[in-house]
Amino acid sequence: DIQLTQSPTSLSASVGDRITIACRASQTIGSHLNWYQQKPGEAPKLLVYAANRLQTGVPSRFGGSGSGTDFTLTISSLQPEDLATYYCQQSYILVTFGQGTRLEIK
Amino acid sequence: QVQLVESGGGVVQPGRSLRLSCAASEFTLSDYAMHWVRQAPGKGLEWVAVLSYDGDNKDYADSVKGRFTISRDNSDNSLYLQMNSLRAEDTAVYFCARDPSVTSYWYFDLWGRGTLVTVSS
Repeated sequence: DIQLTQSPTSLSASVGDRITIACRASQTIGSHLNWYQQKPGEAPKLLVYAANRLQTGVPSRFGGSGSGTDFTLTISSLQPEDLATYYCQQSYILVTFGQGTRLEIK
Repeated sequence: QVQLVESGGGVVQPGRSLRLSCAASEFTLSDYAMHWVRQAPGKGLEWVAVLSYDGDNKDYADSVKGRFTISRDNSDNSLYLQMNSLRAEDTAVYFCARDPSVTSYWYFDLWGRGTLVTVSS
């Protein structure tokens, strides 16, 4: 099985900050890496697919990068509505999710 | 409105069965691969199963293989998850999710709100 490890597991930042969340795969997965945002009590929402492709309708402050085993989700200027848990997901071999990164707004 | 709506959750005893449904609106389910993903209370996301767009291929997480079956009914545009031999560790909110990828880049662009399954005696 492919394991995904996200870091940090939790993060507190201020409005306007640039934040990055890392996702490391236990083996190379090419660009088979996607990112989701889940707000409390809601279903997950797709942000980025194929490592760096922004889903239609997602604000441009979100961006993804990386390939192989190391990936990053970046929020260029944090907004209050970005309070959520963020998950990476690989599809190189079946599907696994990272454990999540909880983002809090200071 | 394009949406997915799950139903069929509830409280069930260990060892019993339950069938979840996922109704699609404003799009044709059979044009897409479809997945089930679950989330135990307070925990992260866990992928459960996939059904290919043509219905020919299915795959499952090891944790449910041999107990759960994914299927689809094109006539009522619905996806199903038959869950047998349920265990306490199957307790979770179950989401159905649409996969628009036509290659191996599986990703989920539309999710339902989920249905809660509680396995308890």
